[in-house]
Amino acid sequence: DSGVTQTPKHLITATGQRVTLRCSPRSGDLSVYWYQQSLDQGLQFLIQYYNGEERAKGNILERFSAQQFPDLHSELNLSSLELGDSALYFCASSVGTMNTEAFFGQGTRLTVV
Amino acid sequence: AQKVTQAQTEISVVEKEDVTLDCVYETRDTTYYLFWYKQPPSGELVFLIRRNSFDEQNEISGRYSWNFQKSTSSFNFTITASQVVDSAVYFCALSEAEDSNYQLIWGAGTKLIIKP
Repeated sequence: DSGVTQTPKHLITATGQRVTLRCSPRSGDLSVYWYQQSLDQGLQFLIQYYNGEERAKGNILERFSAQQFPDLHSELNLSSLELGDSALYFCASSVGTMNTEAFFGQGTRLTVV
Repeated sequence: AQKVTQAQTEISVVEKEDVTLDCVYETRDTTYYLFWYKQPPSGELVFLIRRNSFDEQNEISGRYSWNFQKSTSSFNFTITASQVVDSAVYFCALSEAEDSNYQLIWGAGTKLIIKP
């Protein structure tokens, strides 16, 4: 158990809908990262938050957004969903800002139908 | 541009054989970090090792060992006396310290199948 909790584990939704994925980092970790894993793109960095503030952006679509709350949990919001958004979404956390020894949650498998 | 190449898409060996997973990286930075993660069939990503660019010592952890060679930009992973439970997809990743994003750049992964 990595200590990072992601909910839900599975999500099935229709195109055009909006979903929210939730992540609770390990105790003491201030950084949260979101990654997307799809069959065609592999693992891609989406966005990072550190202590409530956005720190870095990767290949995140404009239809996607995230935030980190005062209790350090994070949410990834995906809107106007398309079939191609079907993927495994991982959250990871680490102590500092550097992406070192990041520990990953079990992922949320999103299926858009 | 930074890049991680895992040329072996899939490797299949019989239990108890030794197996080496290759990882070649590209970076312009002098300070960087290399990682290996394991993704078993259950889907989670399990951290295995982190190495910084100034530490070229090889690492051994039980049946796992890592060979870091800056001269060839490689960070290879060897499993000795493989077991069926080692079956998983293994990812090599790179993080550049001078890149303010500090994001992990991932290889495509190597699927390792250990047959009983």
